Amino acid sequence: GAGVSQSPSNKVTEKGKDVELRCDPISGHTALYWYRQSLGQGLEFLIYFQGNSAPDKSGLPSDRFSAERTGGSVSTLTIQRTQQEDSAVYLCASSSDRVGGYTFGSGTRLTVV
Amino acid sequence: GDSVTQMEGPVTLSEEACLTINCTYTATGYPSLFWYVQYPGEGLQLLLKATKADDKGSNKGFEATYRKETTSFHLEKGSVQVSDSAVYFCALNSNSGYALNFGKGTSLLVTP
Repeated sequence: GAGVSQSPSNKVTEKGKDVELRCDPISGHTALYWYRQSLGQGLEFLIYFQGNSAPDKSGLPSDRFSAERTGGSVSTLTIQRTQQEDSAVYLCASSSDRVGGYTFGSGTRLTVV
Repeated sequence: GDSVTQMEGPVTLSEEACLTINCTYTATGYPSLFWYVQYPGEGLQLLLKATKADDKGSNKGFEATYRKETTSFHLEKGSVQVSDSAVYFCALNSNSGYALNFGKGTSLLVTP
């Protein structure tokens, strides 16, 4: 597609439930990133995928968070046993190279009640 | 590790005032530097970038110059408009990977 597509745009879930967030990057972009944006906290790096290389998971805050990227395209971020502190906007971005900058999706606003 | 420090906001300016948002960085080697903007209710958009020392990125009347001697990439605009009200993020990408390190963001409010 023309841009990075994320779904759902909003998600309200009960504490303890699992959620899946989806990202469809720009076609042909080899790199895909997940960030978390919490109120007043800026952007927190979570994970990135580069081609067929092993993902950089160094930003995942706990083992409740995981992500996969199938076929080098669509990615799913899964949060298990959600907690209230997981409430944030989860942003996905993709890029074709290091110097061009990212293209961000509009994000998924996750609210854990 | 690599990091970016931005001036804290919020910054409130009157329309047509001059804007400077300070950004300094810590990184090894020669990172690429970026400014992103997030308008209310929208996602982040790339505003401008510079990939080597002394490069000047510019877009929509905004400018920023990559100053290696002061490790800075300050964002400037000579005359702001109400439509410039947004949150501005400075970011860097080191030579060792693709992931961007972002500053905490600076909120700008321009009043008529």
